[in-house]
Amino acid sequence: DQQVKQNSPSLSVQEGRISILNCDYTNSMFDYFLWYKKYPAEGPTFLISISSIKDKNEDGRFTVFLNKSAKHLSLHIVPSQPGDSAVYFCAASSVGGGSNYKLTFGKGTLLTVNP
Amino acid sequence: NAGVMQNPRHLVRRRGQEARLRCSPMKGHSHVYWYRQLPEEGLKFMVYLQKENIIDESGMPKERFSAEFPKEGPSILRIQQVVRGDSAAYFCASSPNRDGYTFGSGTRLTVV
Repeated sequence: DQQVKQNSPSLSVQEGRISILNCDYTNSMFDYFLWYKKYPAEGPTFLISISSIKDKNEDGRFTVFLNKSAKHLSLHIVPSQPGDSAVYFCAASSVGGGSNYKLTFGKGTLLTVNP
Repeated sequence: NAGVMQNPRHLVRRRGQEARLRCSPMKGHSHVYWYRQLPEEGLKFMVYLQKENIIDESGMPKERFSAEFPKEGPSILRIQQVVRGDSAAYFCASSPNRDGYTFGSGTRLTVV
């Protein structure tokens, strides 16, 4: 039972263009969403998050959009850089449900940014 | 300010042996979390501990797995009588409170 789904295992974009990574969730108790970036042989690194009371959060080149009615979120990276090449994980938690510490992860999307 | 330290980075065990994975949280962090990543999968929550207490072990397999976070020393994830299906990357994270955590680089366990 996959509660957080990243349906694209991989994505390839040109340097300077926009990267859009998508994530869907099924559990309506989730109210806090995070994106992590992971390089090979390293642990995930927090990138950006969004609470369900918002529909957009921006941090530099990274913007996360949340569509609660569709249970969908996306991460936009503009402009994409070769150093952004990594696996990106979408994760969700239930703050209101008292388990904000427990993250449910998707399977990840491998982003490759070509010079 | 060292990050979350996990050791060993790689661990090879034969079927039936015990595996001990260690995690030293960041300085000042008293909350520790363990996650497992099976091949081609996302990370899955295993257990949440505070010093000397298990807060939530809902993701731990019922048998052979145990975790502790003693008053002194690192947190330990222990897997007894390992089987091939235990081969995975095990990540530890720590936080000063119940959110905003930092992950370590993981221990890659291979059972042969």
